[in-house]
Amino acid sequence: KQEVTQIPAALSVPEGENLVLNCSFTDSAIYNLQWFRQDPGKGLTSLLLIQSSQREQTSGRLNASLDKSSGRSTLYIAASQPGDSATYLCAVQETSGSRLTFGEGTQLTVNP
Amino acid sequence: NAGVTQTPKFQVLKTGQSMTLQCAQDMNHNSMYWYRQDPGMGLRLIYYSASEGTTDKGEVPNGYNVSRLNKREFSLRLESAAPSQTSVYFCASSVRATVGRNTIYFGEGSWLTVV
Repeated sequence: KQEVTQIPAALSVPEGENLVLNCSFTDSAIYNLQWFRQDPGKGLTSLLLIQSSQREQTSGRLNASLDKSSGRSTLYIAASQPGDSATYLCAVQETSGSRLTFGEGTQLTVNP
Repeated sequence: NAGVTQTPKFQVLKTGQSMTLQCAQDMNHNSMYWYRQDPGMGLRLIYYSASEGTTDKGEVPNGYNVSRLNKREFSLRLESAAPSQTSVYFCASSVRATVGRNTIYFGEGSWLTVV
């Protein structure tokens, strides 16, 4: 059974800092991996999707990398801003089906 | 652009009561999903519908039923609510079940408390 772990569970940083969020998964046979953002009381918004054949994806200040062999992905946020404060979740889609397996998320707080 | 719309936003039920969570999407997506989110458990898939006319169990289907009413609408029914079903419920949709290059879109959630 695929398990997705995100460390740390919570992170607090000063504004302007570059930071890395980690995601690990137990079964490397994935179809893709996504990073989501969740604001309090809201649904999830997809930030980046990395296909299994890709190594990284970039969107603005966000860069997500994928290392299938080691079962790891990182989300790099450059020059963090208070507006980046949210919970970030990663999810993997397994090759065999449509189910997304989610991690529990990292709650990020960026302090002004 | 409404995207994925869920109703109700908040609901309090007594144990044993029944209710239906409604979900509609206006993006002409084929696949729709119901998830629940619990502290320490992350998001878990309850049921999904890969296409109109089909439904399949997810990770935690017990105590729930679903109906894919048409391409737009996918409802989740609790026949006899239990305190263990207290959770935040999210509906989602994607172009097709194998998300692939197409992302998945979530509604804003329905907060359900069973007392």
